[in-house]
Amino acid sequence: DGGITQSPKYLFRKEGQNVTLSCEQNLNHDAMYWYRQDPGQGLRLIYYSQIVNDFQKGDIAEGYSVSREKKESFPLTVTSAQKNPTAFYLCASSIRDRRQLGSYNSPLHFGNGTRLTVT
Amino acid sequence: EDKVVQSPLSLVVHEGDTVTLNCSYEVTNFRSLLWYKQEKKAPTFLFMLTSSGIEKKSGRLSSILDKKELFSILNITATQTGDSAIYLCAPTGNQFYFGTGTSLTVIP
Repeated sequence: DGGITQSPKYLFRKEGQNVTLSCEQNLNHDAMYWYRQDPGQGLRLIYYSQIVNDFQKGDIAEGYSVSREKKESFPLTVTSAQKNPTAFYLCASSIRDRRQLGSYNSPLHFGNGTRLTVT
Repeated sequence: EDKVVQSPLSLVVHEGDTVTLNCSYEVTNFRSLLWYKQEKKAPTFLFMLTSSGIEKKSGRLSSILDKKELFSILNITATQTGDSAIYLCAPTGNQFYFGTGTSLTVIP
């Protein structure tokens, strides 16, 4: 079955440590995204990538970094510079509309999320 | 400024009730509006709406879009406890924009 796999499900880290969250998809989607979800704030976009070796900052990219070396994989690193890293992180993917760059007209498919706690 | 407002923020109903969830939006280069249901983990896709006035239905759920007034509604009839979840509205334009969601609790 095709889908998106995020690992680990739960992650605990000490303040000051970098941590990398994994996201793998076998849906053959070009576009991948990272969102952060906090209570009462909905989903906020951290980074997105429409194609391999290219990615763009979202609304809250500070303190995060990503890479997109393979189509299937889009890992997110939460660095020590991120002031409030404790949150639920969701990875998603979608078909990229090749007719119009930047057009988003197909549903996002989400992974099951990683809950990160930093103490 | 792009924005998405969902109302109510939370709702508690009894099984069998009908509920209407609202989503108003202002986004640049609007393309479509998506509804998602989120229980514990991954949001699951419900509907994608691109045209005004055309109702989409899936069982007890239905949704409609008004592109002139910039809003969408999601209706759930004969609610069941399994409908308890957060319902997210996501208009798309230059990116996907998400509302804060409506938390629905259905009591037996």
